[in-house]
Amino acid sequence: DAGITQSPRHKVTETGTPVTLRCHQTENHRYMYWYRQDPGHGLRLIHYSYGVKDTDKGEVSDGYSVSRSKTEDFLLTLESATSSQTSVYFCAISDSRTVSGNTIYFGEGSWLTVV
Amino acid sequence: SQQGEEDPQALSIQEGENATMNCSYKTSINNLQWYRQNSGRGLVHLILIRSNEREKHSGRLRVTLDTSKKSSSLLITASRAADTASYFCATDNNQGGKLIFGQGTELSVKP
Repeated sequence: DAGITQSPRHKVTETGTPVTLRCHQTENHRYMYWYRQDPGHGLRLIHYSYGVKDTDKGEVSDGYSVSRSKTEDFLLTLESATSSQTSVYFCAISDSRTVSGNTIYFGEGSWLTVV
Repeated sequence: SQQGEEDPQALSIQEGENATMNCSYKTSINNLQWYRQNSGRGLVHLILIRSNEREKHSGRLRVTLDTSKKSSSLLITASRAADTASYFCATDNNQGGKLIFGQGTELSVKP
């Protein structure tokens, strides 16, 4: 298994509160991603990073911000959580320098419930 | 909108049968990948097929790619109960390391 740790794994929070999810990797991979998974929508890319302090938006970035101050850590912040952000959040990493192409390795997920 | 669309959304078969899942996409791609997700877990990479390849095998998995039709299929032969999972295709259209996933096919293999 790729060395990816997500924390917290489960969280219940109230509407309007800030929430930060952390992804930590030990693989020294360049790319890191945050996806959310919802029934009927599959996995949707929220934000991704292609290096320290280099981030870009995915397809569902509204209401989310990210930061990457170190290669190994990628933080996802919900500034003011809403019920529509109740979801399972997956962190993923990849190293596109490999000849195998851009294979992504996933963490185990963080279950977030906004009440 | 999603790049990859899987078909069918759900598939139920008996152990020993073959399972075929299809994926269609919209734009040109660098490669297409298939992933598997067991219930409550993260996704695991199964196989990658490049845009200049037409077929690829890995154990009981066979993947085909038809770039003219913008479609791919994943065949699992001689299925087992342990193959029960959701299967996702993902496309890499060479946009800075992003992979776009489809909605997945939920496969149930009954013993």
